[in-house]
Amino acid sequence: GAGVSQSPSNKVTEKGKDVELRCDPISGHTALYWYRQSLGQGLEFLIYFQGNSAPDKSGLPSDRFSAERTGGSVSTLTIQRTQQEDSAVYLCASSSQGASYNEQFFGPGTRLTVL
Amino acid sequence: AQKITQTQPGMFVQEKEAVTLDCTYDTSDPSYGLFWYKQPSSGEMIFLIYQGSYDQQNATEGRYSLNFQKARKSANLVISASQLGDSAMYFCAMRDTGANSKLTFGKGITLSVRP
Repeated sequence: GAGVSQSPSNKVTEKGKDVELRCDPISGHTALYWYRQSLGQGLEFLIYFQGNSAPDKSGLPSDRFSAERTGGSVSTLTIQRTQQEDSAVYLCASSSQGASYNEQFFGPGTRLTVL
Repeated sequence: AQKITQTQPGMFVQEKEAVTLDCTYDTSDPSYGLFWYKQPSSGEMIFLIYQGSYDQQNATEGRYSLNFQKARKSANLVISASQLGDSAMYFCAMRDTGANSKLTFGKGITLSVRP
């Protein structure tokens, strides 16, 4: 079946503009995660959605970052008033709670460049 | 707080030889899971292997095995019979067993396989 998809694959924006990044998880997966990967670094957790529960936003770096998940499926990560330090690859992952590993399946990522 | 440490510099291995990638971790949670992911230059995160903290045996998946030493808090990945396609970044990650099963990643290790 289809894996996790993300759009756009690349986004170049000017400092101060808002951007929206989209994630389509694997159908039926109840858990959805956003991570950020800066150049040459590991992945940094941003936010986690699980079913209809309140999201865990503990990893969001500032109040310029927000995310929502509509209908328990598609998620949008919004970054307002982008800064150059926001440049990174934003990765989305989904998992099926109840699977033996709760393995997270990752999308291809969105590479964000803030000029 | 959980922490994953990957301190090896770029690793090189001759094709068809075995290589060990180091990972140490720190957690106060008695129950946790350890993952290894591969990230080729194309950027996708590929799940390789999982080890649960209570698993009695070291995990194996094809050419991948995990040398899990719980007392030393290490979870080294062993790749046998290296192939050119194994050249990539390798990330060790930990998942706690709380309600938020986010992954905490190390900074990664670059592996280059020489023909």
